[in-house]
Amino acid sequence: AAGVIQSPRHLIKEKRETATLKCYPIPRHDTVYWYQQGPGQDPQFLISFYEKMQSDKGSIPDRFSAQQFSDYHSELNMSSLELGDSALYFCASSFRGYEQYFGPGTRLTVT
Amino acid sequence: AQSVTQPDIHITVSEGASLELRCNYSYGATPYLFWYVQSPGQGLQLLLKYFSGDTLVQGIKGFEAEFKRSQSSFNLRKPSVHWSDAAEYFCAVDGRTGNQFYFGTGTSLTVIP
Repeated sequence: AAGVIQSPRHLIKEKRETATLKCYPIPRHDTVYWYQQGPGQDPQFLISFYEKMQSDKGSIPDRFSAQQFSDYHSELNMSSLELGDSALYFCASSFRGYEQYFGPGTRLTVT
Repeated sequence: AQSVTQPDIHITVSEGASLELRCNYSYGATPYLFWYVQSPGQGLQLLLKYFSGDTLVQGIKGFEAEFKRSQSSFNLRKPSVHWSDAAEYFCAVDGRTGNQFYFGTGTSLTVIP
């Protein structure tokens, strides 16, 4: 069965650079969620989109923005990167807000 | 505010032994509850979920969980642990407002031969 696809899987950036993470939800899923998981931490909710509109916002820094496109894929844009942004970023998708299926994650390292 | 507590940071069990991972939640209404498993460097895999109805739910890989409203708990169990079960386990609550999940801090499971 198709799963959530995230790209890239690994990303290395320097401080103050920008990064764009992509998420392709499971076909027919209408909701996308972004989570950040720091080393040894539980995943923290960043933001979600339902039918291309932002539906909920968590602890997302102002330096980050995200959107969901017409084909339901989503992109998380991160600017002015800081060392503390180094983490595993998960995207999840669901249909009508039921159980979330997670992608494999993008490991971002900021040096 | 919603919260999820996993009291056990780390658990070690022998292969073949039974397992129970604890999860307590704080939420105003009956939430949607989930257990996820995460292997090192990997994504989160859904083990099982509770929405309503039968309070004992069966999941994949031989796991089950029981929702106890009176105790605000949703403990994960497995009768006989396999070495491949070693991983990090997260309990999660659906916040129901925008459907964001609140995760517990996770329980790391080590399985010894």
